[in-house]
Amino acid sequence: DTGVSQDPRHKITKRGQNVTFRCDPISEHNRLYWYRQTLGQGPEFLTYFQNEAQLEKSRLLSDRFSAERPKGSFSTLEIQRTEQGDSAMYLCASSSPTSSGELFFGEGSRLTVL
Amino acid sequence: EDQVTQSPEALRLQEGESSSLNCSYTVSGLRGLFWYRQDPGKGPEFLFTLYSAGEEKEKERLKATLTKKESFLHITAPKPEDSATYLCALFTQGGSEKLVFGKGTKLTVNP
Repeated sequence: DTGVSQDPRHKITKRGQNVTFRCDPISEHNRLYWYRQTLGQGPEFLTYFQNEAQLEKSRLLSDRFSAERPKGSFSTLEIQRTEQGDSAMYLCASSSPTSSGELFFGEGSRLTVL
Repeated sequence: EDQVTQSPEALRLQEGESSSLNCSYTVSGLRGLFWYRQDPGKGPEFLFTLYSAGEEKEKERLKATLTKKESFLHITAPKPEDSATYLCALFTQGGSEKLVFGKGTKLTVNP
């Protein structure tokens, strides 16, 4: 399978714990994105990488959220001191530089904070 | 502020009953309008890109059109497998790679 893969698919955690999600993009894609989606809403942009450089970050992203993409390959999204409001589907997507806006999404990591 | 509004929120059709979904937008300098399909529990799947008013794209039973203020996704003779949430999105102004998505239209096609 050469699509975008995300791990874990589901995560249940207690409030105040830290969680980390991993995304492996399509290998030839140098652009990687994280979005968050809650029930009944469209995906909401969190951050964007081009290769290993984090070029954009949403103002909505609090300092409890951090994302990395070492060596320009896989990416991780860490949420520290989780809150119930962080419960959502976290979607990773990748794209090629010639197809901006044509995003290939993974199946998402669903986070439930109790 | 850039905005994307989709209507209706939900649409139920009988198999074979054609209809259209609407996406109205306000943006300073459109750099592309995108349609995605999302099945329950899955990530969105790219369908179309439209760049300028008057442009049309087709794929099987779907046709997307664009005017200066809105885009339509026309569904001709839908089948139950077309049931999904359809999302439209666009780039914000400037060189941002941020896609702004609408809330989507949940389409149900009954056999």
